[in-house]
Amino acid sequence: RKEVEQDPGPFNVPEGATVAFNCTYSNSASQSFFWYRQDCRKEPKLLMSVYSSGNEDGRFTAQLNRASQYISLLIRDSKLSDSATYLCVVGGATNKLIFGTGTLLAVQP
Amino acid sequence: GAVVSQHPSWVICKSGTSVKIECRSLDFQATTMFWYRQFPKQSLMLMATSNEGSKATYEQGVEKDKFLINHASLTLSTLTVTSAHPEDSSFYICSARQKETQYFGPGTRLLVL
Repeated sequence: RKEVEQDPGPFNVPEGATVAFNCTYSNSASQSFFWYRQDCRKEPKLLMSVYSSGNEDGRFTAQLNRASQYISLLIRDSKLSDSATYLCVVGGATNKLIFGTGTLLAVQP
Repeated sequence: GAVVSQHPSWVICKSGTSVKIECRSLDFQATTMFWYRQFPKQSLMLMATSNEGSKATYEQGVEKDKFLINHASLTLSTLTVTSAHPEDSSFYICSARQKETQYFGPGTRLLVL
């Protein structure tokens, strides 16, 4: 079983749609959780950290369920510029980050 | 946010050549940097943790004699791919940690012919 699992997609959605990505992790001792965005042939960039209380940043909402070892990302009112690969990332006590394979989002005009 | 640079951005070389990649934290000091590798359509895989002033810590399956890491200062870590072969062709990305966030360099594309 992979340490961080994501649906690879692709998710093809029209502009303005709401889309949700899910991620599960296997190590119950994981301590930090993030969503990164990676554009084609570019480095990952931090989208947002994920907290147990949930957090929202504009059109993006992230949730963490430690009991189920599950992380989610919700994107509202999708824009063409949201098209990218979204990486679920989990960190442990040693600052190592474990990346999921990513979920590809394609927002269609 | 913090900035991490990498040089070169891409390299094409012949099999058997050694290739050095530099990773610099431009506006902060990083005692720890990380080196990742990403093959097409796969996730980033941590290769090693680079520690300033001490030996790097390699992940299981990564040959330390093939991937030489030197972290000589608080702003510079280098990764040398020794005697590169076509299977080493990949996207190599470094990151540096500042407080709770890891910032990634723009990556280096290596193509070994």
